[in-house]
Amino acid sequence: DTGVSQDPRHKITKRGQNVTFRCDPISEHNRLYWYRQTLGQGPEFLTYFQNEAQLEKSRLLSDRFSAERPKGSFSTLEIQRTEQGDSAMYLCASSNQWDSNQPQHFGDGTRLSIL
Amino acid sequence: KNQVEQSPQSLIILEGKNCTLQCNYTVSPFSNLRWYKQDTGRGPVSLTIMTFSENTKSNGRYTATLDADTKQSSLHITASQLSDSASYICVVGGSYNTDKLIFGTGTRLQVFP
Repeated sequence: DTGVSQDPRHKITKRGQNVTFRCDPISEHNRLYWYRQTLGQGPEFLTYFQNEAQLEKSRLLSDRFSAERPKGSFSTLEIQRTEQGDSAMYLCASSNQWDSNQPQHFGDGTRLSIL
Repeated sequence: KNQVEQSPQSLIILEGKNCTLQCNYTVSPFSNLRWYKQDTGRGPVSLTIMTFSENTKSNGRYTATLDADTKQSSLHITASQLSDSASYICVVGGSYNTDKLIFGTGTRLQVFP
């Protein structure tokens, strides 16, 4: 079990720059989720994919955010023109549509710091 | 508004002692309730998952209870160990279709020797 893998683990960038994160889910999982977690808070849902289709997006996901899962395997989350408020941990999780009572498996996240 | 509230916010106990963490939720529809453990700087790891028809689930020294009528859950940790120091997050699954999760803010547990 290779688990959910996220890259990079840490990203420091200047305000206004674009950043892209990658998530590799567990191979047999067809659902993939992105969450954002700020210090002292629980994760907040951003968006989710079933296979390559992006089926739901949170209102938290402004126009500067875009997520893709082109082949239904790995996913990328891009933030354009980063702002101070984007500093957070970005978590990816995956699950299997056909095991609805199995837990979502999380990666260890990408910690984004905006200078 | 769908909410998951946890108490206490933080807790300090001595190694070997037991503790109980509480969770109240107002989520509808409700499909399941999960407890996750999150170590600092790591992603959450699932401890238990219960549907509305289950009222208790154990995973080693962790035992979760669920009262779907009062919309309350608890996580009991027995014979705590130093490695139990972490945040414990109560999570409610509100939709059967999307498995979209609603997270509480967590209880920060510190176990001291």
